Order: sequence, then structure tokens, then C-alpha cells
Amino acid sequence: QKEVEQDPGPLSVPEGAIVSLNCTYSNSAFQYFMWYRQYSRKGPELLMYTYSSGNKEDGRFTAQVDKSSKYISLFIRDSQPSDSATYLCAMSAPGSSNTGKLIFGQGTTLQVKP
Amino acid sequence: EAQVTQNPRYLITVTGKKLTVTCSQNMNHEYMSWYRQDPGLGLRQIYYSMNVEVTDKGDVPEGYKVSRKEKRNFPLILESPSPNQTSLYFCASSSRLAGGRNEQFFGPGTRLTVL
Repeated sequence: QKEVEQDPGPLSVPEGAIVSLNCTYSNSAFQYFMWYRQYSRKGPELLMYTYSSGNKEDGRFTAQVDKSSKYISLFIRDSQPSDSATYLCAMSAPGSSNTGKLIFGQGTTLQVKP
Repeated sequence: EAQVTQNPRYLITVTGKKLTVTCSQNMNHEYMSWYRQDPGLGLRQIYYSMNVEVTDKGDVPEGYKVSRKEKRNFPLILESPSPNQTSLYFCASSSRLAGGRNEQFFGPGTRLTVL
């Protein structure tokens, strides 16, 4: 079983839809949770960061962490064609904060159609 | 502009021919990492470096070497490449001062094909 599981999709939605992207994980030591966005032929870029449980909102993006269920989500409201990309969840445990080690999900490819 | 640069961006080579992929960052970051990205497997860490002259293995280090002689540079060396090392490679850096946040800044990637 992989430490982090993410549905690879692809996920196709119409413009304006609400998108829900999810990851599950098995390591209860994970405390730092991130979402990266990767456009085609580019490197990943950090989109959202959450520490421990709870919600965090940034514009049209909301990140949720449910540590009791070992489940994290990224919601995109009013999705735009420019949101079309691969979204990767990533997480790390406190002891790894000095090693830079992140565990990534496989990535979900999202296409938002005009 | 703060960035991580990698060279070359694309490389086609043959089995056994030594190659080096360079990585450089201009953010004065202590930590640097190399990842490979393969379909269905996501990003997997190859090696990382906590600072100059300090390196350690990641999850898939076999067949790779690294060095960290300067803070800004972290080259990835394949001394005898094999076809199973055909992949998309990313270099990333992060700052110790991020307080455990581990925000990784990624380079643009190097697509390597080993024939």
C-alpha cells in the first residue's frame, strides 16, 4: 500500500464547476499537507499549504485536512480553463522538516472545458 | 528572479554513457532535492542535501550520484545510465527557515531518454 493515494483521473469538468480533489494517506505522523499544481511541461508549484487539521481558503481554492480520517481535499470554486493542470498532494512528518522530504500522491489531471 | 534552473531540459543518450544534469538555485536555500516523475508513480525522491557537503539517499537512489560542493548547485550524476532511468527529473530547493513548511521550489524539469 502506498503511503499516499490519489486518484489520477483524468477529471473533466465544465467551466464554472466546483472541483473536488482528494488524497488519502496511511502515515498518522504526517502533519504538513500541501497541494502543488503542475502545468504541462513545467515543474510543480506550491498552491496551498496546511498544517495539521482544518481548512484554509485562498481565493477560489480551499484546502481541507481531516486527520482522523487521514484524508485531505482541495476544492476549486468557479473553475476556469486556466485551472487545467495536474494537481499533486504532498505531505511530510515533523521529523522530516529538516530533510525536505515530501511524500507525493500520483497527481490528478484536471481539464476545465470552456 | 528567484528560480531553480536545470540543464539540459531534454537529453537523449545511450546505455552506459555517463551524464550529468545540473541544478542551480539563486534563493540561498540550504536544502536541495532531486526527484523523478513517472506515470502512475508520482514524484519520488532520489537524493537530497541538507547543506554543503551533506547529502543523503532518498527513496530511489540506485544508479544515481550527487554532490553538493557549493550551496547553489546540486548536480545529478548518472555514471552508467540504463533504460529504466528514462524519466522526467526535477530539482527542488527549500529553506530551513521555512519552519518545517518544506515549501519546495521546483525547477522546470529535465526529460531524459536512455536508449
